[in-house]
Amino acid sequence: QKEVEQDPGPLSVPEGAIVSLNCTYSNSAFQYFMWYRQYSRKGPELLMYTYSSGNKEDGRFTAQVDKSSKYISLFIRDSQPSDSATYLCATVYNFNKFYFGSGTKLNVKP
Amino acid sequence: DTAVSQTPKYLVTQMGNDKSIKCEQNLGHDTMYWYKQDSKKFLKIMFSYNNKELIINETVPNRFSPKSPDKAHLNLHINSLELGDSAVYFCASSHGTGENSPLHFGNGTRLTVT
Repeated sequence: QKEVEQDPGPLSVPEGAIVSLNCTYSNSAFQYFMWYRQYSRKGPELLMYTYSSGNKEDGRFTAQVDKSSKYISLFIRDSQPSDSATYLCATVYNFNKFYFGSGTKLNVKP
Repeated sequence: DTAVSQTPKYLVTQMGNDKSIKCEQNLGHDTMYWYKQDSKKFLKIMFSYNNKELIINETVPNRFSPKSPDKAHLNLHINSLELGDSAVYFCASSHGTGENSPLHFGNGTRLTVT
């Protein structure tokens, strides 16, 4: 079983829609969770970084962690065509071992 | 003012050749990494160095040899390139060695072996 599982999509939504991206993880000891955005032919760019359970909001983005179900989510409000990218969830454990989901490709249509 | 920069951006070479990829970060981080991203976008750790010392060495063929001359640089040398080495290689850095330090990535080196 992979440490982090993510639906690869692709996910296609109209501009202005609320987007929900999700991952599950395997080890209840994981405490730090990240969301990265990767545009085509670019490196992953850190979007959100959360610790333990709860919500964290930054502009149109909200990251949510539910430790009881080992579920992490990223919500994007008022989605824009510029949000079209691949979104990667990640966690880190045990001295710099970062584990990534395989990414969900999002397309926001104008 | 690029934070993590790697060169070259593209590398096309033939099987059996030896090639190097260079990485530099100006973030003042003390931990650097090499990741391999396959065609399905899956990112897999290869190596990690902290203050020039190797701390993570995943199951990677010994044709791959990282070298860290100082904590701002981490290079990757690949001997006897194979078709299966074709992928995008990302350099990354973080501050410290604990969990409270997310990764910052370069823009990748797209390696194609023919």
